[in-house]
Amino acid sequence: NAGVMQNPRHLVRRRGQEARLRCSPMKGHSHVYWYRQLPEEGLKFMVYLQKENIIDESGMPKERFSAEFPKEGPSILRIQQVVRGDSAAYFCASSPPIGMTGRSYEQYFGPGTRLTVT
Amino acid sequence: LAKTTQPISMDSYEGQEVNITCSHNNIATNDYITWYQQFPSQGPRFIIQGYKTKVTNEVASLFIPADRKSSTLSLPRVSLSDTAVYYCLVGPNWGKLQFGAGTQVVVTP
Repeated sequence: NAGVMQNPRHLVRRRGQEARLRCSPMKGHSHVYWYRQLPEEGLKFMVYLQKENIIDESGMPKERFSAEFPKEGPSILRIQQVVRGDSAAYFCASSPPIGMTGRSYEQYFGPGTRLTVT
Repeated sequence: LAKTTQPISMDSYEGQEVNITCSHNNIATNDYITWYQQFPSQGPRFIIQGYKTKVTNEVASLFIPADRKSSTLSLPRVSLSDTAVYYCLVGPNWGKLQFGAGTQVVVTP
């Protein structure tokens, strides 16, 4: 069973461009989370999605950031008009439906996408 | 979500036991205690989760006193590959995870 996949692993954008980060959850997982990690800091929650639904976006910046998890295909985190402060590692995690594993709601993380804004 | 406090860093030698204590004085009744491990340039990895008393798996043990205001992650006989950042998280066992600064554990020969 393949783990959580993220692409690209590294992304370089100039200020003002758009960045699209993709996340394919583990097979059978219907919950996806996005986190951002600035250099030398811990991870910060951004958004929690289920298929076609945003469950919690309390960590998402109000402007320029959006996320989706369509019925088919990967989850997408989109950053419009990037600025240097968006440079960070973006991690996606997935988890199975509640109760499926019979234990805690463990999240499985992908390798991350490192975004550099020049 | 309850706030957690843990040491910024800990050093150890190979073969020793490493104990990382996390303080969470305002833990709620429905909160669980979860630990994640993160290596450089990788996503975090779940280590262990508990609600009360003691939990043990193939990687670590988690000790939780009766008042649940703190917890201790125990890593037996560490090796160089255990060098990582360890995060203590407190919250319901679903939904978003709230990471703090974590504890940088450095294992030397």
